[in-house]
Amino acid sequence: DIQMTQSPSSLSASVGDRVTITCRASQSISTYLNWYQQKPGKAPKVLIYAASSLQSGVPSRFSGSGSVTDFTLSISSLQPEDFATYYCQQSYGIPWTFGQGTKVEIK
Amino acid sequence: QVQLQESGPGLVKPSETLSLTCTVSGGSVSSSSHYWSWIRQPPGKGLEWIAYIYYSGGTKYNPSLESRVTISLDTSKNQFSLKLTSVTAADTAVYYCARVGLGGSYYEHFDYWGQGTLVSVSS
Repeated sequence: DIQMTQSPSSLSASVGDRVTITCRASQSISTYLNWYQQKPGKAPKVLIYAASSLQSGVPSRFSGSGSVTDFTLSISSLQPEDFATYYCQQSYGIPWTFGQGTKVEIK
Repeated sequence: QVQLQESGPGLVKPSETLSLTCTVSGGSVSSSSHYWSWIRQPPGKGLEWIAYIYYSGGTKYNPSLESRVTISLDTSKNQFSLKLTSVTAADTAVYYCARVGLGGSYYEHFDYWGQGTLVSVSS
């Protein structure tokens, strides 16, 4: 299985901050990398697919980059509604696997 | 707007079979442009992909669950289903159904999700 490792596991930030979350794959996955946001009690929501493609309807303050094994999700100016847990997920190889999640909390 | 809704028992006894159905509205499970999938999340933990199925009935399973899982499609009802046999407490989780969107070059991603249903395994 392809292991996905996110860092940090949690972070505290203020509204307006720039936030960066990283995801590393245990082997090359090209750009078959997706990012999801999950709020408590809700289903995840896709933000970014194919490493850098913004899902329709997602605010432009979210962006993704990277390829091969190293990927980044950035939030340019954190908004109150962005406090949530973020997951990366690879769709390069079966089984599809997720990172362990990064919880973004209010400072 | 595509909507997915999970249904099924919220409590299953150990060693029995967990059965869930996902009803799709606003889209067709017969579409060749999408797959249909199940994902689960144990309470307080991360996400685990279980399986997907596409319009032709072809399937892919997570090898860690493959011996116990069956995913199927009912095009007449616009539904797809999950069966997980010989359940234990470790199978207690919120189970989500989701649509798999195919970006260019088959960049598969979960683009629509059901709200999730908690299934507890307990006697």
